[in-house]
Amino acid sequence: DIQMTQSPSTLSASVGDRVTITCRASQSIRSWLAWYQQKPGKAPKLLISKASSLESGVPSRFSGSGSGTEFTLTISSLQPDDFATYYCQQYNSYYSFGQGTKLESK
Amino acid sequence: EVQLLESGGDLGQPGGSLRLSCAASGLTFSSHAMSWVRQAPGKGLEWVSAISGSGGSTYYADSVMGRFTISRDNSKNTLYLQMNSLRVEDTAMYYCAKGSGDYASGSYYDYWGQGTLVTVSS
Repeated sequence: DIQMTQSPSTLSASVGDRVTITCRASQSIRSWLAWYQQKPGKAPKLLISKASSLESGVPSRFSGSGSGTEFTLTISSLQPDDFATYYCQQYNSYYSFGQGTKLESK
Repeated sequence: EVQLLESGGDLGQPGGSLRLSCAASGLTFSSHAMSWVRQAPGKGLEWVSAISGSGGSTYYADSVMGRFTISRDNSKNTLYLQMNSLRVEDTAMYYCAKGSGDYASGSYYDYWGQGTLVTVSS
């Protein structure tokens, strides 16, 4: 099974900050990685697929990069609506999620 | 507009059974793999099971293998999850999710339902 590890688990930041979340896979997943945003009481929302492909309608301040085993999600200028929990997911071999990164207001 | 509506969540007994359903609309249902993903209270996302668009291929997480069965009725645009031998640790919100492609493996999830709550307790 492929294990996904996100860091940090919690991130405190302010509006306007540039933030980066890292996701590492236990073995190569090529570029088969997605990022999701989840707000309390809501279903996850797809942000990025294939490591760096921004989903239609997702603000351009979100970007993804990486391949192989190391990936990042970057928010270039944090907005109030971005405070949420973020998950990475590999879909190279079956499926597995990272444990999540809670982005909270500093 | 794609819509996924789960139902069937309930309070179940350890060792008991429940059947979840997910009614889909706004898509060519048989062209897409579908999955169940769960989230225990206050915890992260856990993939449970996936099924190909035709229903011919199915996959399961080790934690539910042999106890849960995923199926679909493409004539009714509906996905199912039969949950047997329930355990306390199966307590979670269960989401159905639409795969980006029609293969059970190798799809990201571009649409999610709102979830249905399963509680397993005596």
